[in-house]
Amino acid sequence: AQKVTQAQTEISVVEKEDVTLDCVYETRDTTYYLFWYKQPPSGELVFLIRRNSFDEQNEISGRYSWNFQKSTSSFNFTITASQVVDSAVYFCALSEVNFGNEKLTFGTGTRLTIIP
Amino acid sequence: DSGVTQTPKHLITATGQRVTLRCSPRSGDLSVYWYQQSLDQGLQFLIQYYNGEERAKGNILERFSAQQFPDLHSELNLSSLELGDSALYFCASSVEGWYEQYFGPGTRLTVT
Repeated sequence: AQKVTQAQTEISVVEKEDVTLDCVYETRDTTYYLFWYKQPPSGELVFLIRRNSFDEQNEISGRYSWNFQKSTSSFNFTITASQVVDSAVYFCALSEVNFGNEKLTFGTGTRLTIIP
Repeated sequence: DSGVTQTPKHLITATGQRVTLRCSPRSGDLSVYWYQQSLDQGLQFLIQYYNGEERAKGNILERFSAQQFPDLHSELNLSSLELGDSALYFCASSVEGWYEQYFGPGTRLTVT
């Protein structure tokens, strides 16, 4: 069965600091997809990134970067020079590539608070 | 704006009642997913439809049912409501399986 663990329940950092959110996953499949979503205080879920299991290249998008390491089953998310608008709950999710099993399995989320 | 719409935004109802939540996917998306977010259970997958057909079921109670119509909009029906059904219900859509899912704003259901 697939499982996603986000061990950090809450993190607080001062604005402009860098912060890394950890995500560890479990799956028996060799082909799968990993995702990060952001849930700001307004409540909607915002898609940030999708990465397939064959692509271990790190990705950078502005102040956001993602480090995928298959050897440790981790897909960590770093925000550089954090801003108050980054305050949100961040979810890591996994989807196995099986017909009829395309659901997202979410971690429990990490609540990130950026202190001005 | 994800392009996924959900109505209503808020719903307050009493125990034992039945409600219907509505979702319109992004234009061109064939897959619709329903998720429940509660404090104790987190984000849980309920059910998926693809082009009108049920494709996968998750932790969906027998009191709950869903369908996807020919125009691809979907409805989630919750009946015999209990206090524990109070949650945020999200609809998401994607082009097809394993692609990124775009979420609607959610319907907050409060059962009193």
